[in-house]
Amino acid sequence: ILNVEQSPQSLHVQEGDSTNFTCSFPSSNFYALHWYRWETAKSPEALFVMTLNGDEKKKGRISATLNTKEGYSYLYIKGSQPEDSATYLCASGFGNEKLTFGTGTRLTIIP
Amino acid sequence: ETGVTQTPRHLVMGMTNKKSLKCEQHLGHNAMYWYKQSAKKPLELMFVYSLEERVENNSVPSRFSPECPNSSHLFLHLHTLQPEDSALYLCASSQDGGTGTGELFFGEGSRLTVL
Repeated sequence: ILNVEQSPQSLHVQEGDSTNFTCSFPSSNFYALHWYRWETAKSPEALFVMTLNGDEKKKGRISATLNTKEGYSYLYIKGSQPEDSATYLCASGFGNEKLTFGTGTRLTIIP
Repeated sequence: ETGVTQTPRHLVMGMTNKKSLKCEQHLGHNAMYWYKQSAKKPLELMFVYSLEERVENNSVPSRFSPECPNSSHLFLHLHTLQPEDSALYLCASSQDGGTGTGELFFGEGSRLTVL
């Protein structure tokens, strides 16, 4: 079974600091990488969908990069705010498999 | 109306009961999904429908029975469930025909407890 791994599992960051976390996925037959933010008691919300090696996407203070050859993606948050507290999920598509999700990184911003 | 709505939000049922979860999307999307979220596990895909046709059944036990009467509605019929089926069931939709190249729009989930 090919897995999507996210690290760290959880993270506490001081308000105002920047942070990043990782999603690792099988690099063979890759076709898509998704990032979602999931706040408690809400529905997961898409941040980015990336398909090309070297792709970089940005939405406000959040950005993501993609390396399909080595099988990883980074999510960066600049100047963390309390509203950034959430679980960040990545999902990767490879081969004939539908999207496979990781277990997420739980981010807590400390005021 | 929010994009993807799920009912009920909470459901408690006995192992001999029959119940259904409902999902409705108001986004005009062409694919709908059921995912299962168990504690400390990643989201698990259960079923995918593209244009009302089931394109994926991810080895889900037959006690879970999906139904997609049209592109806006998706049901998950439940019968003779086990306590280990207790989980959060998430519905999602997308405009990529279920290929995984487009973003998923999720509902808020139905929290199921099987006694």
